[in-house]
Amino acid sequence: KNQVEQSPQSLIILEGKNCTLQCNYTVSPFSNLRWYKQDTGRGPVSLTIMTFSENTKSNGRYTATLDADTKQSSLHITASQLSDSASYICVVSGPGNNRKLIWGLGTSLAVNP
Amino acid sequence: SQTIHQWPATLVQPVGSPLSLECTVEGTSNPNLYWYRQAAGRGLQLLFYSVGIGQISSEVPQNLSASRPQDRQFILSSKKLLLSDSGFYLCAWSVSTSSSYEQYFGPGTRLTVT
Repeated sequence: KNQVEQSPQSLIILEGKNCTLQCNYTVSPFSNLRWYKQDTGRGPVSLTIMTFSENTKSNGRYTATLDADTKQSSLHITASQLSDSASYICVVSGPGNNRKLIWGLGTSLAVNP
Repeated sequence: SQTIHQWPATLVQPVGSPLSLECTVEGTSNPNLYWYRQAAGRGLQLLFYSVGIGQISSEVPQNLSASRPQDRQFILSSKKLLLSDSGFYLCAWSVSTSSSYEQYFGPGTRLTVT
């Protein structure tokens, strides 16, 4: 069964600290993996998208890594800001028709002052 | 630049009433369009997908329907709402020929069925 599991479910950190969010998937065959940020009550916004041949991609203070062999990905946030408080969702896509996205439940991150 | 609009932003409807949610995209032609639902504590669920005018694919059986009367307009409808239809509805678009398969989401509609 194609699944995407994220951990932790929720996380609280202090402003300025770093954190790492985890994503494990069982989607096969695999095409690409995305990380989205979703603010409460808003639509998701893409942070990174990686194909199976890429093992790291950065977007400002966000760095995603991918290990296609172990089917694991992580999202590292550096020097967190209050505006980083949101849900971070890992999404895995199979090949071909790109509508076949498997969504994780997300990690809810709260950055406190 | 491309923008995606959804309305209304919030909606409270009684059980058994009809529903119509609208999504429009600006700044692009022939986009792929999507309707998702996000229920509390659950991941996004793809409801409908469209690659062109009048072409609708349904992902899950339910009492909802979708239509695409114009290239950049996508409508989600129901004749009779159920309590289980409550949720956060998101419209998204992607460039049909893009190899990055990026999807861009609208602001969403919060639907509460009472």
